[in-house]
Amino acid sequence: SQQGEEDPQALSIQEGENATMNCSYKTSINNLQWYRQNSGRGLVHLILIRSNEREKHSGRLRVTLDTSKKSSSLLITASRAADTASYFCATLRSNDYKLSFGAGTTVTVRA
Amino acid sequence: GAVVSQHPSWVICKSGTSVKIECRSLDFQATTMFWYRQFPKQSLMLMATSNEGSKATYEQGVEKDKFLINHASLTLSTLTVTSAHPEDSSFYICSASYVRRRGETQYFGPGTRLLVL
Repeated sequence: SQQGEEDPQALSIQEGENATMNCSYKTSINNLQWYRQNSGRGLVHLILIRSNEREKHSGRLRVTLDTSKKSSSLLITASRAADTASYFCATLRSNDYKLSFGAGTTVTVRA
Repeated sequence: GAVVSQHPSWVICKSGTSVKIECRSLDFQATTMFWYRQFPKQSLMLMATSNEGSKATYEQGVEKDKFLINHASLTLSTLTVTSAHPEDSSFYICSASYVRRRGETQYFGPGTRLLVL
């Protein structure tokens, strides 16, 4: 079942701007992952942050994790038109090692 | 590395027929494969967990007799949608995880779009 909620549901920004989206979850987790999905396509794994980590970077991506608040954020800096996609957080639950996906944020980057 | 394929990529069938979807890990062995379903503009919902050589574990609300899962080898799992109906039309995505890294990273297939007429 889904345990993550993401906000905003949709985000529209100008090319070059930063995009920030948030994810909240409910249960104890082993790690939290972010994925990108282009319209009608499969998932692309972006970044994984473990429960004992607070921040992680990968290229233009920055992820934070606050386990006390059960929340995470994904920041995409200097956005490009190619970043237009839906972004999902997914938590790997500690009790059963199953991934639970958030509702997703649809990001549109205007040229 | 860590490539997962699905076949077919899309399928259209008549109501009442059965459809089989294959999920293969191409360059690694996966003891565990997962099947998800995604309706338009919604998130992925886990349907079942498939372990090689044993019965699949279904999530609450998923009919095991309707969605038959077989995980006969470390590189292949199949999902059969039996007696498909229009409400089964969806995007079905599988994922696979490494033998030694229990579920930490799942590698996703490209998905199969099913349309039931």
